Amino acid sequence: QSVLTQPPSLSAAPGQKVTISCSGSSSNIGNNLVSWYQHVPKTAPKLLIYDNNKRPSGIPDRFSGSKSGTSATLGITGLQTGDEADYYCATWDTSLSGGVFGTGTHVTVL
Amino acid sequence: QITLKESGPALVKPTQTLTLTCTFSGFSLSSGGAAVGWFRQPPGKALEWLALLYWDDDKRYSRSLKRRLTIAKGASRNQVLLTITNLDPEDTATYFCARRPEQWFAELFYFDSWGQGTPVTVSS
Repeated sequence: QSVLTQPPSLSAAPGQKVTISCSGSSSNIGNNLVSWYQHVPKTAPKLLIYDNNKRPSGIPDRFSGSKSGTSATLGITGLQTGDEADYYCATWDTSLSGGVFGTGTHVTVL
Repeated sequence: QITLKESGPALVKPTQTLTLTCTFSGFSLSSGGAAVGWFRQPPGKALEWLALLYWDDDKRYSRSLKRRLTIAKGASRNQVLLTITNLDPEDTATYFCARRPEQWFAELFYFDSWGQGTPVTVSS
């Protein structure tokens, strides 16, 4: 059972914005850096955000990340049909001495 | 170009031991700060981190699975192995390996290159 909580699903129309929350605790998000991944089943997960708010090269600026206290947020603006996927937050958990993923959020583009 | 590819048996029986191989190219696990991780996704469930192997042979494991997991460098310099003992049908999942970029801070947890995954079914 994951220690990072995300909403199970979100939906929005093309061109709109979605915000995905990731709630943790002081042992994980509160004191470590957060990353975000996009995952279409049966394909390789893709890194969208690392170090809370940095984008790897090739990731459009429609994707943004932020962190406040023990929660993190992934924002996706200008939604496209190709953005329909599962999204996961991840970070290190100091108490567990290991990595943890969020429960995952499925984004549907209406 | 960095690539990773997972391989292993597609079907294993309960109580057996599973060994998966991650074969990678485009980076060296000998480089300071490098690391390779293993992950899995059971059908209909979330991604789960399993184990991490650092360039200096330091290892970290998921606490819930630690007793059953072993991560190690393979015989080839570009391979990382994951062994899971005492398999159960709940271990049925797609297993992924991924590269953590070179970082000196061990607790930096992000992975910029992933394999396509290999499906494993545990059934008698």
